[in-house]
Amino acid sequence: DIVMTQTPLSSPVTLGQPASISCRSSQSLVHSDGNTYLSWLQQRPGQPPRLLIYKISNRVSGVPDRFSGTGAGTDFTLKISRVEAEDVGVYYCMQATQSPLTFGGGTKVEIK
Amino acid sequence: EVQVLESGGGLVQPGGSLRLSCSASGFSFRSYAMSWVRQAPGKGLEWVSAISGSGVSTYYADSVKGRFTISRDNSKNTLYLQMTSLRAEDTALYYCARAPAAMQAFDIWGQGTMVTVSS
Repeated sequence: DIVMTQTPLSSPVTLGQPASISCRSSQSLVHSDGNTYLSWLQQRPGQPPRLLIYKISNRVSGVPDRFSGTGAGTDFTLKISRVEAEDVGVYYCMQATQSPLTFGGGTKVEIK
Repeated sequence: EVQVLESGGGLVQPGGSLRLSCSASGFSFRSYAMSWVRQAPGKGLEWVSAISGSGVSTYYADSVKGRFTISRDNSKNTLYLQMTSLRAEDTALYYCARAPAAMQAFDIWGQGTMVTVSS
């Protein structure tokens, strides 16, 4: 199974400041079809997960452009350019390149 | 509105069985692969099982293989998860999620249904 490792576990951020979350996979996420199936989800307190970004950097419709995804191969990053109060929650990376699908352990974003 | 709604959770004894349902609306259900993802209390997300749009192909996490069965009825726009030989470690909030082929990601999630395995 592909192991997804997220850092940090927790990220206290000042409102308006940037935040960055790292996700590393135990093996390359490049699929045989040439795509890299790495996505990012946000889970606000008491809510189901919400898809933010798919295939490394494609933002879902309605997701603010302060969220961006980058990376390749085994190293990926989710950046929030200016954290807002509504961004508080846990963020997960997920790979769908190889079965079983696996998630990172989650990174908690909170306001300082 | 595109949405999915889970039901069927509850309290069950170890070794017992339960069937979860996920009712879909607002989209062409048969055109999408679907998955079940669970979240134990206070823990992260764990993929459980997936099924293709036609229902022909199914996939399972090792932790549930041989005990859980995923299925769908496209005429009823409904996804199912039959769970047998339940264990305490199966206690979790079970989410139904849609997975568009082009994304290979879960773009629509339900609110979840809670399964508690305890004597």
